[in-house]
Amino acid sequence: QVQLMQSGAEVKKSGASVKISCRASGFTFTTYYMHWVRQAPGQGLEWMGIISPYGGGVATYAEKFEGRVTMTRDTSTTTVYMQMTGLTSDDSAVYFCVRGSSGWYYFDYWGQGTLVSVSS
Amino acid sequence: QSVLAQPPSASGTPGQRITFSCSGTTSNIGSNPVSWYQHLPGAAPTLLIHSNDQRPSGVPDRFSGSKSVTSASLAISGLQSEDEADYYCAVRDDSLNGWVFGGGTKLTVL
Repeated sequence: QVQLMQSGAEVKKSGASVKISCRASGFTFTTYYMHWVRQAPGQGLEWMGIISPYGGGVATYAEKFEGRVTMTRDTSTTTVYMQMTGLTSDDSAVYFCVRGSSGWYYFDYWGQGTLVSVSS
Repeated sequence: QSVLAQPPSASGTPGQRITFSCSGTTSNIGSNPVSWYQHLPGAAPTLLIHSNDQRPSGVPDRFSGSKSVTSASLAISGLQSEDEADYYCAVRDDSLNGWVFGGGTKLTVL
């Protein structure tokens, strides 16, 4: 069965960076796009970006995160990563890795989420 | 301010039928298929409806979706207490070159 296992909770200081991992299993990793979505406390879901399974992992980011977020993938370990720099308290949120459906337009499996807490 | 507009809350009684709306524009809902997600507290969101009106296997037929021009709807019939959750619509936005979510509707089952 499809599983997306994310790394554990992180506590960071303002200005620091964080890198979250998401290990995928139960499907052919090299044929699916992967997304990252976050949810801040009391807020809704927010799409952050997508990384392609092709061409070495080309990523496209929501404009809000351009320049501050880097998504990468390691085919040998079937793991995707999301690194965010310049953290502020506004980045305190639960971050989800999500598999893009084979039909491109929707998200079919979600990781369990990783809580990132940023304090000053 | 979300690109897709959803009412922040809704409520119903067990057995009732309830609908949620999701309003967008020609560059998102008007151009691409809509999906819906159920988000229970402390859990990861799960896919309820994709491609406007398609239910993944395992989703009860009490849940149904529809789309018309630049709006979409999710309906739940035979409301149950376990349906109490947040519901989000999502769609690809061609102008933004990415995906967008609605702000979510919190369902309370009275």
